[in-house]
Amino acid sequence: EVQLVESGGGLVQPGGCLRLSCAASGFTFSNYWMHWVRQVPGKGLVWVSRINGDGSSTTSADSVKGRFTISRDNAKNTVYLQMNSLRAEDTALYYCATYLRDQGAFDLWGQGTMVTVSS
Amino acid sequence: DIVMTQSPDSLAVSLGERATINCKSSQSVLYSSNNKNYLAWYQQKPGQPPKVLIYWASARDSGVPDRFSGSGSGTDFTLTISSLQAEDVAVYYCQQYYSTPCTFGQGTKLEIK
Repeated sequence: EVQLVESGGGLVQPGGCLRLSCAASGFTFSNYWMHWVRQVPGKGLVWVSRINGDGSSTTSADSVKGRFTISRDNAKNTVYLQMNSLRAEDTALYYCATYLRDQGAFDLWGQGTMVTVSS
Repeated sequence: DIVMTQSPDSLAVSLGERATINCKSSQSVLYSSNNKNYLAWYQQKPGQPPKVLIYWASARDSGVPDRFSGSGSGTDFTLTISSLQAEDVAVYYCQQYYSTPCTFGQGTKLEIK
């Protein structure tokens, strides 16, 4: 089955860190860009970061640059989001997503993992 | 960054009636070399991730009912549901993927009148 499964979310204090994981299955993982998108419950979608198939190219939103790092392990079919110096405004549901067909729009999403930054 | 603005923020339509959602981008998302608009529409139901409905502004994704259609070019786009069904109650988002960062509209909540 083609799917993405996120894990690693939880409650963390401001200034703390967390590593999210997204395990992929059912497709040739190393062929595809992987993205993280976040959503504050009840609010809109915000793109966070992306990484290319071999991990040589990454891009992140200005709001997380210098604090979040995206990486991947193609042997484990997993993409990661290392989140440091967390702030209250990083509280959100974090989705990993990709596009398997060459049309650019995200056609595969995980169910998301919730990150809550609070003291 | 390209700003995506949807209208209206919420919409109530009777079953069987037409629903129209608009999306405007702060700059053109039409790529001249291939004449494609890098614009997608997503549907998100409560407790679920978004689901792509439309890509390239007007191409319906596999399995999406034909009552959903997308139109527009450049900076102005429309998602139309020709005959609203109960299962269409959701929040709808437009997204541009013309440039990085890709950006989403604020969402339009669609309800039954």
